[in-house]
Amino acid sequence: QVQLVQSGAEVKKPGASVKVSCKASGYTFTSYDINWVRQATGQGLEWMGWMNPYSGNIGYAQKFQGRVTMTRNISISTAYMELSSLRSEDTAVYYCARNGQNTRWLDPWGQGSLVTVSS
Amino acid sequence: DIQMTQSPSTLSASVGDRVTITCRASQSISTWLAWYQQKPGTAPKLLIYKASFLESGVPSRFSGSGSGTEFTLTISSLQPDDFATYYCQHYNSYPYTFGQGTKLEIK
Repeated sequence: QVQLVQSGAEVKKPGASVKVSCKASGYTFTSYDINWVRQATGQGLEWMGWMNPYSGNIGYAQKFQGRVTMTRNISISTAYMELSSLRSEDTAVYYCARNGQNTRWLDPWGQGSLVTVSS
Repeated sequence: DIQMTQSPSTLSASVGDRVTITCRASQSISTWLAWYQQKPGTAPKLLIYKASFLESGVPSRFSGSGSGTEFTLTISSLQPDDFATYYCQHYNSYPYTFGQGTKLEIK
């Protein structure tokens, strides 16, 4: 079955960077885009950006421009989201989710990766 | 960016009730709208796509309607498993945006 499995929880200090991974299985990795969405504790969902694994094309929400980098390793069907210059407000669960050219909604989602930013 | 506004933010209801959640877009998005259900500690789950298409495996008591700027999610007869938070999301164009969520609580 189609599945996205994310890396584990991370604790980072303010100013550091974090890199979250999202391993895809059950489908052809390069045929669908990967999106990243985050959710602070008790808050709503915030879309961060997308990446096309085939071309490497990316698009970031303006809020994260200059701080976020989305990459992939096709050989291991894994997408990555790196967020730099972390601050306490970046403490959240980060999700990856798939969409396709003809299936623009987000499905499925990874299980989420908690990133805690604390001194 | 397209803004999505959901109402109400919180909804108290009983098992067996019929409930409706509304989602409004700041500009027309045709039917490029999805609804998700999220339970505490878990990832969002797709319920409805293209405004009214039921995702496979989702109970038929869930339905969606609307086009343009006004959309609704209806649960025809609430079941205990339905108490959760619901989000709408447009996918008309990037950047995608979500509604702020509607928490469905047991009355």
